Amino acid sequence: NAGVTQTPKFQVLKTGQSMTLQCAQDMNHEYMSWYRQDPGMGLRLIHYSVGAGITDQGEVPNGYNVSRSTTEDFPLRLLSAAPSQTSVYFCASTPLGRGSEQYFGPGTRLTVT
Amino acid sequence: GQQVMQIPQYQHVQEGEDFTTYCNSSTTLSNIQWYKQRPGGHPVFLIQLVKSGEVKKQKRLTFQFGEAKKNSSLHITATQTTDVGTYFCAGANAGGTSYGKLTFGQGTILTVHP
Repeated sequence: NAGVTQTPKFQVLKTGQSMTLQCAQDMNHEYMSWYRQDPGMGLRLIHYSVGAGITDQGEVPNGYNVSRSTTEDFPLRLLSAAPSQTSVYFCASTPLGRGSEQYFGPGTRLTVT
Repeated sequence: GQQVMQIPQYQHVQEGEDFTTYCNSSTTLSNIQWYKQRPGGHPVFLIQLVKSGEVKKQKRLTFQFGEAKKNSSLHITATQTTDVGTYFCAGANAGGTSYGKLTFGQGTILTVHP
């Protein structure tokens, strides 16, 4: 199993550009989520999904869209990048059941200039 | 909304010294998880605590969950240079309906001087 994969690893965008961060998992986990990590602020939840076709907002959803057409994939779209979105983005997946551990991908380091 | 506060933000220790990080939630938790993130890496699950007053040990690491299920701690005995990294607690709200949804603390960055 590859676990949780994310692409790209690094990305530089100009303000106003759009892009999609890819996330895939091969563990058949129903729950997937996107976090951003900024210094001193821990991991903040952007969006999450409890299954294909179902998504919901987390703590910091503004400026981001998600969709979940399959169990495996959970892409994160930046509609119009802003310097405030410079961050490290982590995708995570969790198997069925409350309180299960989250498996994180390697992360995408995004810089918006 | 639910808030999870973690202290201290930074901790510098000499190798062999002990280390403790504390986590406090504004709401009662159904469970709390702890993660470790090595520099440049991604968070990796360490342990989950579910029961009030629960204590779990993993070698030199001791994890506690408070009686009221609103606080937790991670204690490392005799730190080693391999313990370097950021330690996060993450809580699931007791009243929540979205399984898997966690609120993370800000993390404690541990530096160990040899």
